[in-house]
Amino acid sequence: SAVISQKPSRDICQRGTSLTIQCQVDSQVTMMFWYRQQPGQSLTLIATANQGSEATYESGFVIDKFPISRPNLTFSTLTVSNMSPEDSSIYLCSLGGLDGYTFGSGTRLTVV
Amino acid sequence: EDQVTQSPEALRLQEGESSSLNCSYTVSGLRGLFWYRQDPGKGPEFLFTLYSAGEEKEKERLKATLTKKESFLHITAPKPEDSATYLCAVQATGANNLFFGTGTRLTVIP
Repeated sequence: SAVISQKPSRDICQRGTSLTIQCQVDSQVTMMFWYRQQPGQSLTLIATANQGSEATYESGFVIDKFPISRPNLTFSTLTVSNMSPEDSSIYLCSLGGLDGYTFGSGTRLTVV
Repeated sequence: EDQVTQSPEALRLQEGESSSLNCSYTVSGLRGLFWYRQDPGKGPEFLFTLYSAGEEKEKERLKATLTKKESFLHITAPKPEDSATYLCAVQATGANNLFFGTGTRLTVIP
């Protein structure tokens, strides 16, 4: 199965700033997914990112707050913009495959 | 609306004490049910995919089963290294993404 490299693994950010999270895959994939895992809660899908088209956002998530880049079939970024303490979460990228969905190691974001 | 409910929320077992985790689901049409293991500070690690009622899959001390309404993850003679949060997720027919439950946090005491 594909291997995902996600970075940064963790960060502490000031409110009002932005953070860009990167995911690099070792093979070409059509579809990538971005999830959020708030403390003590389940994984929630933020958006689906296809190469060459605009990301599709789930209800409750908007492009201005979580812009996504998908410049090629092996790379994607998620930006968390104008952060507030409520954005403190783990953010994960994911992709599907024959052996199930693979996840990155996650980015633990703390907003102070 | 898709719904996944996992129970119990937390489970403490003595080493060697077998038990089962439950995942109840409601989905318009099931494409697949997934089990993951998540260790603190890490992303979910894929364990099993089940596609139809009656299907079973095994991996070491873990066995996953599926009915039309729920799935069980049976843990036989667990070891401390099995301590983790176990996540259940469903993929609906026609969907590309997964819908997750809140997980069961398993602690195995030596």
